[in-house]
Amino acid sequence: AQSVTQPDIHITVSEGASLELRCNYSYGATPYLFWYVQSPGQGLQLLLKYFSGDTLVQGIKGFEAEFKRSQSSFNLRKPSVHWSDAAEYFCAVKSNFGNEKLTFGTGTRLTIIP
Amino acid sequence: EAQVTQNPRYLITVTGKKLTVTCSQNMNHEYMSWYRQDPGLGLRQIYYSMNVEVTDKGDVPEGYKVSRKEKRNFPLILESPSPNQTSLYFCASSISPYDEQFFGPGTRLTVL
Repeated sequence: AQSVTQPDIHITVSEGASLELRCNYSYGATPYLFWYVQSPGQGLQLLLKYFSGDTLVQGIKGFEAEFKRSQSSFNLRKPSVHWSDAAEYFCAVKSNFGNEKLTFGTGTRLTIIP
Repeated sequence: EAQVTQNPRYLITVTGKKLTVTCSQNMNHEYMSWYRQDPGLGLRQIYYSMNVEVTDKGDVPEGYKVSRKEKRNFPLILESPSPNQTSLYFCASSISPYDEQFFGPGTRLTVL
């Protein structure tokens, strides 16, 4: 069965610093991978997704993620965070055949300090 | 405006009293899904639907029912709610499960 692990429950970074949020997945083949962001009191919004092709994916709000098959990872990065990036971030995986379930990680809460 | 709507947004009820949370989308999406969000557990899929009259279980379907009689609507039914179903519920829709999911604003349910 597919699964997603986000090992960091909470991360604090200074405004202007770089950011990397970790995501590891468990799945036999290349899955479909997503990163979503949830601002306080809001629903989720898609940041980016990976299906195939270039392993470095660009998303909205200056985020990017890199798919590394050898490490079963899909880490999210941003070179310089802004206070408005404070939110909860979810990695999600979907198999590329078979069932149509979408599995989310447990999330990483990002705090930005001035 | 393209959107997913859920009603009610907040609901406090008692154990065993049947309730329905409605979900509607105006984007003509085929795929719809219900999730519950609990602290430390992230989002867990309850049920999903690939199209009208086609529904299937997600990871945590116990205690829930759904129906998809029309493409735009996907209600979540709790026949006999229990306190462990106290949670934040999200409905989402997309063209397919491989595409971006659009989420509703959430329904905060408390079962006493």
